[in-house]
Amino acid sequence: DADVTQTPRNRITKTGKRIMLECSQTKGHDRMYWYRQDPGLGLRLIYYSFDVKDINKGEISDGYSVSRQAQAKFSLSLESAIPNQTALYFCATSDRDREDRTDTQYFGPGTRLTVL
Amino acid sequence: GQNIDQPTEMTATEGAIVQINCTYQTSGFNGLFWYQQHAGEAPTFLSYNVLDGLEEKGRFSSFLSRSKGYSYLLLKELQMKDSASYLCAVRWGGYNKLIFGAGTRLAVHP
Repeated sequence: DADVTQTPRNRITKTGKRIMLECSQTKGHDRMYWYRQDPGLGLRLIYYSFDVKDINKGEISDGYSVSRQAQAKFSLSLESAIPNQTALYFCATSDRDREDRTDTQYFGPGTRLTVL
Repeated sequence: GQNIDQPTEMTATEGAIVQINCTYQTSGFNGLFWYQQHAGEAPTFLSYNVLDGLEEKGRFSSFLSRSKGYSYLLLKELQMKDSASYLCAVRWGGYNKLIFGAGTRLAVHP
């Protein structure tokens, strides 16, 4: 089974609809992240959470909100979807600082969202 | 501002060696990552550098020069399955935040 799962894998919706993307992980990591990826652009950070009570905005949080329901679950919501939110969305997790200080981020399979 | 530059596309021949460069200008530096991403799939971790020098891991090596704001990923004995995008990412600030380059799309041909 995959360590980081995302649902749905594909979603087509209409402008103005509220959408929720879900991420679950079995890695036991404390830290979780949401990114979007657009053609020709790097992955951009939307929100990140370092534990259940810690939520932080990333560089492009406008139009998005998140919920950290448990250590293993981190959901991303689009309050009122618009066409320029059409993108590939990735969830990632990482462990808290370890001795080697790597704290590598591990990515889920992605959700392809299309807003018409 | 924060900026990471990588070439957009590269091509190489099966069995050859290819070097993918990455230059960065960021407010703070706390490590550099390389990820591989096949089309439509998740990025997967390849390497991490935080000190100057070369890190070798099988066919893949990564080099870092912090004074020059420069890194490269070296892929040896190229295989067709190495056709993918390679993402350079810099960690900055106190919270494990990464800023990614747009990626280099590598095409390996016979």
